Order: sequence, then C-alpha cells, then structure tokens
Amino acid sequence: ETGVTQSPTHLIKTRGQQVTLRCSSQSGHNTVSWYQQALGQGPQFIFQYYREEENGRGNFPPRFSGLQFPNYSSELNVNALELDDSALYLCASSIPGAGASGGAGSPDTQYFGPGTRLTVL
Amino acid sequence: GENVEQHPSTLSVQEGDSAVIKCTYSDSASNYFPWYKQELGKGPQLIIDIRSNVGEKKDQRIAVTLNKTAKHFSLHITETQPEDSAVYFCAANRRFGAGTRLTVKP
Repeated sequence: ETGVTQSPTHLIKTRGQQVTLRCSSQSGHNTVSWYQQALGQGPQFIFQYYREEENGRGNFPPRFSGLQFPNYSSELNVNALELDDSALYLCASSIPGAGASGGAGSPDTQYFGPGTRLTVL
Repeated sequence: GENVEQHPSTLSVQEGDSAVIKCTYSDSASNYFPWYKQELGKGPQLIIDIRSNVGEKKDQRIAVTLNKTAKHFSLHITETQPEDSAVYFCAANRRFGAGTRLTVKP
C-alpha cells in the first residue's frame, strides 16, 4: 500500500452538480497528479500540481480544476457534471527529481491512491 | 499526442507458465515506461519501471525490456502464481495503455 489517501471512497451526484475530491500525498511527496479511469480503460491524465501551481494538463475541459495546498494535499473540482464523468478518479504523488537518473525532463515515479468512484446520474 | 497500444487485452496462463504483455508508443520523446498492476477496487500499483537510458530491467520474477528504435516495450512475468491475476497497465510517460487482464489458473 502507498501512503496516498483519497476521500471520499465513492459518491453519487446528479448531472449538472459540482463535486470536490480530495487527496493526501505520500509523506515527502510535493507533486500530485490526477487521473480519470473510465470502466475497462486505462487512467487518463487530467493535470499535475507542483508547489501549489498547475504543472501540466491533459485533454480535459476547464470545468475540471484543481488546487494544491501548502501541505501538498490536493483537490479536484468538477463543475457541471455530465454522465460521462462517471469514473474512478485517481490521485498519484511523486517527488520531482526522482526521475533525474533518466535524464532531463524524465517523469517522476508516481504512487497511486485507491481512488474515488464517482457516479453521475 | 502520445498513443500507447497494449496487447493482448486478455491473457490466460497456467500457474508456473510465463506471461508476456507488449506495448507500443508513438512519441519518440517518451522517456519513462512504468508498469502497473491493478486489483479489483484498488488503485494501480507500480510493479516495475524503466527509463529510456536502459534496455532491460529485472526484479525477481518480473522483467521489462525496452526497444527505443522500434518504440515498444514488454513486461515478462515468469513462474506465474494465482495472485498475479489482475489487470496490468503499461504507460509511456503519463499516457496509459488500455490494460491486459491476466488470469493465472491454478
């Protein structure tokens, strides 16, 4: 088990509502990434936060937003929920520079939390 | 953008046999290739990773090979056990494959 925790474990929302998901990173990790995993598919990168700022974003609309706090915990906010937003939302933490052995810009080794299962009705 | 293809989508082996899962990627700038194991109801667990300056890496029964020229990398599990049954994902940087459901029959 990694030291990454997520809350809540699961929740149900209706279309049009807003949701906030939370993540606490592993001790010593100051970078948090969020992924969306639809049923039967691989995780898709939403965005990454480093030192409280967004540091990379995948192909997701602006209604997906996030925050990172001084203690490195993070939130994912999704506005105007759509049915297709139903998925497992995963948080992963890492340490910048852990990938330095792979060369400049080498991504960091990430450790995933258990995820939050979101159902939109 | 990066595209990662993973094969096969399902794989069934007898306990003790080897299992091989293959992935190809499109972005030649990709330089980090992790493999994850995901069990039902859990998040992906990193089992092994390889970076672009290495061609092969081994950790007990698990090995990964990388061919940068051909842009493909593979996961090899030897002496499979029933507890190896899970969904395995490859990734190139932050782009994941669609997963392989591995079943190890006792």
